[in-house]
Amino acid sequence: QVRLQESGPGLVRPSETLSLTCTVSGGPIRPYYWSWIRQPPGEGLEWIGYIYYNGNTNYNPSLKSRVTVAVDTSTNQFSLKLTSVTAADTAVYYCARVHYYDFWGGYGPYYFDSWGLGTLVTVSS
Amino acid sequence: EIVLTQSPGTLPLSPGERATLSCTASQSVNNNYLAWYQHKPGQAHRLLIYGASSRPSGIPERFSGSGSGTDFTLTIDRLEPEDFAVYYCQQYGSSPWTFGGGTKVDI
Repeated sequence: QVRLQESGPGLVRPSETLSLTCTVSGGPIRPYYWSWIRQPPGEGLEWIGYIYYNGNTNYNPSLKSRVTVAVDTSTNQFSLKLTSVTAADTAVYYCARVHYYDFWGGYGPYYFDSWGLGTLVTVSS
Repeated sequence: EIVLTQSPGTLPLSPGERATLSCTASQSVNNNYLAWYQHKPGQAHRLLIYGASSRPSGIPERFSGSGSGTDFTLTIDRLEPEDFAVYYCQQYGSSPWTFGGGTKVDI
């Protein structure tokens, strides 16, 4: 059973960079895609982006100019960096594994088949 | 981007009843690539349905998904106490992937 655990600072100052790491245990990084999702307090879920184990990425256009997702297959971790944060970036941040294969559709990416518990990041001075 | 609208926002029901949750897309979801997730406080989101109607192994048969194009439904037959939670739909047919606002199934 794969487990995902988010880690990183719970408080980030405005204009600085939010950095989070997701540690994957109980399963391999390859050949999956890995993703970040967030949920501001009282709001809905927002997909941030995903990375393939080979480093290929796809980001939500709404955040693309500020987001970098990276993967380290040697440590079974992937990370999120979000630059120039404001209070609007305050949210619970989730990491998730993306299913990579479908019998009918071939190689993906597809849906989220495992999630972390999430970590609250507050942007405040 | 595709906007997903879930209704109702809250669904008050009792154990043993049937829950019918709706997810409507602002445009057709490619290949009916729509998933449903369950979320309970303090727990990880759980995948219930993918491809609009396919159930992953380990998900009870009382959970079923249906629909195509822009209209999708999650049905929970005979609610168990552990089914009271928030349910989200999500489309992965076109980028950016998007989620619905959620339906809370409440006692």
